[in-house]
Amino acid sequence: RKEVEQDPGPFNVPEGATVAFNCTYSNSASQSFFWYRQDCRKEPKLLMSVYSSGNEDGRFTAQLNRASQYISLLIRDSKLSDSATYLCVVNPYRSSASKIIFGSGTRLSIRP
Amino acid sequence: NAGVTQTPKFQVLKTGQSMTLQCAQDMNHEYMSWYRQDPGMGLRLIHYSVGAGITDQGEVPNGYNVSRSTTEDFPLRLLSAAPSQTSVYFCASSRQDYNSPLHFGNGTRLTVT
Repeated sequence: RKEVEQDPGPFNVPEGATVAFNCTYSNSASQSFFWYRQDCRKEPKLLMSVYSSGNEDGRFTAQLNRASQYISLLIRDSKLSDSATYLCVVNPYRSSASKIIFGSGTRLSIRP
Repeated sequence: NAGVTQTPKFQVLKTGQSMTLQCAQDMNHEYMSWYRQDPGMGLRLIHYSVGAGITDQGEVPNGYNVSRSTTEDFPLRLLSAAPSQTSVYFCASSRQDYNSPLHFGNGTRLTVT
């Protein structure tokens, strides 16, 4: 089992739809979680951190389920500009960013 | 606030040539790292540093050297370029705190012929 797994997609949804992705992780002691977005041929950019109680930033909601070891990202009222690859990022250790694990990404395409 | 700055944006090398990819950050981050990203492979850690004078190997260090003489700069040296090193290279930095996210530079596209 991979340490961090994501459905590669692609998810192809119409503008205005709600879409959700999950990401599972294998290390139950994992401490911190993030969602990044990466546009084609660009650098990954932080979308949001994921907190234990769940958190929201505008149209984006992130949830953490420690019992089932997954995090989720919900995008409401999707826009054309949301088309990108979404990377799930897990840091399983308290001490070092060198242990950060990147998922392979979920591709999202929003159609008009 | 520039964040993480990488140069050059594009580079073409011949097999056997050497070069240095530059990375600088102005956020006073202790942690800096280099990743390469190949199609279908995701991000792979090459080398990292937790502070000036301290470097360590990541997942795919062979063929690359790094040094960290200052907090701000973390150059990546390709010793003798090979076609297998054709990739997109990203530098990233963060505070040395497990809750701190990585901040990425905008990448260097390297082609080795």
